[in-house]
Amino acid sequence: GNSVTQMEGPVTLSEEAFLTINCTYTATGYPSLFWYVQYPGEGLQLLLKATKADDKGSNKGFEATYRKETTSFHLEKGSVQVSDSAVYFCALGNSGNTPLVFGKGTRLSVIA
Amino acid sequence: NAGVTQTPKFQVLKTGQSMTLQCAQDMNHNSMYWYRQDPGMGLRLIYYSASEGTTDKGEVPNGYNVSRLNKREFSLRLESAAPSQTSVYFCASTASGKGVRAGELFFGEGSRLTVL
Repeated sequence: GNSVTQMEGPVTLSEEAFLTINCTYTATGYPSLFWYVQYPGEGLQLLLKATKADDKGSNKGFEATYRKETTSFHLEKGSVQVSDSAVYFCALGNSGNTPLVFGKGTRLSVIA
Repeated sequence: NAGVTQTPKFQVLKTGQSMTLQCAQDMNHNSMYWYRQDPGMGLRLIYYSASEGTTDKGEVPNGYNVSRLNKREFSLRLESAAPSQTSVYFCASTASGKGVRAGELFFGEGSRLTVL
């Protein structure tokens, strides 16, 4: 079945540091891949997505590239800010009628 | 723009009590979901409704029931609450249908439930 594995946290970085959160997946067919972000006290919201191999999703300075050869969708940001402190979830979906499969989440704390 | 609205936001129950979490979306979405979020466990799907009139079990359905009241509303019921059901519950919705690729989920703000 489909599954998502992401690096365990928590991750603590200083402001302006480079961020990578690893995500790998197992899936049949050609899934879409997503990163969701959850700020403290809120629900999840979509950060970025990619729907086919070699697509790059980007938003708010975050990027992730859909790598079919390595079954990966790592999240990166060149210079994190304190406001990026949140929990980040990698997710996978195959079709419009089946639920997304989520990773366990990675908590990021950015300190000034 | 309300999006997905959940009530209540906080609830404390005693073991054995029952309660219903309400969820409504105003985006004309076909599919709705209930997740629970626990520390170290990420998000786990309890039940979902791919379209009005249908419901399906997710990963952790035991102890819960759901009702898709209409296209807008999807409620989650705990018939006899247990301490293991202490969690944060999230409702979500998405557009879906034949030929539609997996799309963006829209989440409510969550309902924090404590069972004593």
